[in-house]
Amino acid sequence: DTGVSQDPRHKITKRGQNVTFRCDPISEHNRLYWYRQTLGQGPEFLTYFQNEAQLEKSRLLSDRFSAERPKGSFSTLEIQRTEQGDSAMYLCASSSQTGYLINSPLHFGNGTRLTVT
Amino acid sequence: SQKIEQNSEALNIQEGKTATLTCNYTNYSPAYLQWYRQDPGRGPVFLLLIRENEKEKRKERLKVTFDTTLKQSLFHITASQPADSATYLCARGDTGRRALTFGSGTRLQVQP
Repeated sequence: DTGVSQDPRHKITKRGQNVTFRCDPISEHNRLYWYRQTLGQGPEFLTYFQNEAQLEKSRLLSDRFSAERPKGSFSTLEIQRTEQGDSAMYLCASSSQTGYLINSPLHFGNGTRLTVT
Repeated sequence: SQKIEQNSEALNIQEGKTATLTCNYTNYSPAYLQWYRQDPGRGPVFLLLIRENEKEKRKERLKVTFDTTLKQSLFHITASQPADSATYLCARGDTGRRALTFGSGTRLQVQP
């Protein structure tokens, strides 16, 4: 178990630029999640994949955000035309889960910290 | 919407004491609750899961309770150590939802 890895660990960008983050989940896990966390807050759900299908997106996710998981392996999260409010830690998590009810733990990566100047 | 509330104030205790952290939820009971530990600059790490029909779960020095009458879960760390200092997150899982909803976490500081 090599764990969930995220790249890069830190990203500083100017407002208006596009950024892309990558997540490599635990290899046998079929579910992948993106969360966002700001200082002093808990992780906030962004989107969820089962294999390669994106099955749920948060209503809070603006059109500037897009995520993919080609072939059900790694995932990318792109933010277009970044704004200062996008500054946060972006966390990826994976789990091995069957059925609709989540009752197995999420395995998180250590996140990508985005700073928009 | 279903919410999770955790005490935002940090909890400071002496080494060797029992730390008790509180998680309150609104509206109907979640199907289960999960507790995670998060260290600065790192992702959360899973600790324990408790289902709605379970009163208590234990794992080594950790204990979690689930009280559907009080709409509350308590997380206990017995014989606390400075290495237990971290932020502890409570998360609810609901039937029909694929994603967990997290509270804002409570920071625990164990003094030697």
